[in-house]
Amino acid sequence: ILNVEQSPQSLHVQEGDSTNFTCSFPSSNFYALHWYRWETAKSPEALFVMTLNGDEKKKGRISATLNTKEGYSYLYIKGSQPEDSATYLCAFPNNDMRFGAGTRLTVKP
Amino acid sequence: EAGVVQSPRYKIIEKKQPVAFWCNPISGHNTLYWYRQNLGQGPELLIRYENEEAVDDSQLPKDRFSAERLKGVDSTLKIQPAELGDSAVYLCASSSPTGEGTEAFFGQGTRLTVV
Repeated sequence: ILNVEQSPQSLHVQEGDSTNFTCSFPSSNFYALHWYRWETAKSPEALFVMTLNGDEKKKGRISATLNTKEGYSYLYIKGSQPEDSATYLCAFPNNDMRFGAGTRLTVKP
Repeated sequence: EAGVVQSPRYKIIEKKQPVAFWCNPISGHNTLYWYRQNLGQGPELLIRYENEEAVDDSQLPKDRFSAERLKGVDSTLKIQPAELGDSAVYLCASSSPTGEGTEAFFGQGTRLTVV
């Protein structure tokens, strides 16, 4: 079982601020990493599937990078909006799709 | 295409009572997961199925929890008897067998409150 850590645990930003958070994992035996967004009262939804060292993926104002050699992935949100408020989770399919504890983001208008 | 369907959405029961949750995965998805999410924490994997076979149930508290996936499609998760500490959101997810990078698709979850 991989030891996955996400930081920070929670984050409060103002509308328009850019922000980022981290998913850390053991660099050995890496296969793939998933980022999910979980909004209150909704289902978790996949944002990105990342497999290659140096991967950088983007969806609108949200992007993610991957460094498998040092064992981390960053998720960036540019110009945060209140609708970005959610819990952001990373998970590993070769770890039985186990999740980190998540980063709870609150964007204040 | 219909997503993962879970029922009920909410359940309130008294401690020591039994409770069951139902999940219908996306058609064609062989892998099915049950997770439990406690407030302020990430989803905790309880059990993973490949078709009808439970391939990882190491996190399932077997003294009171049970699960089944008959015919490799729908699944039920049961708690008997429920304890106060079982109050949580129970999530079901499914994924297709094509490629390790394929993401999981989640149902909306069942929020269980044990009083």
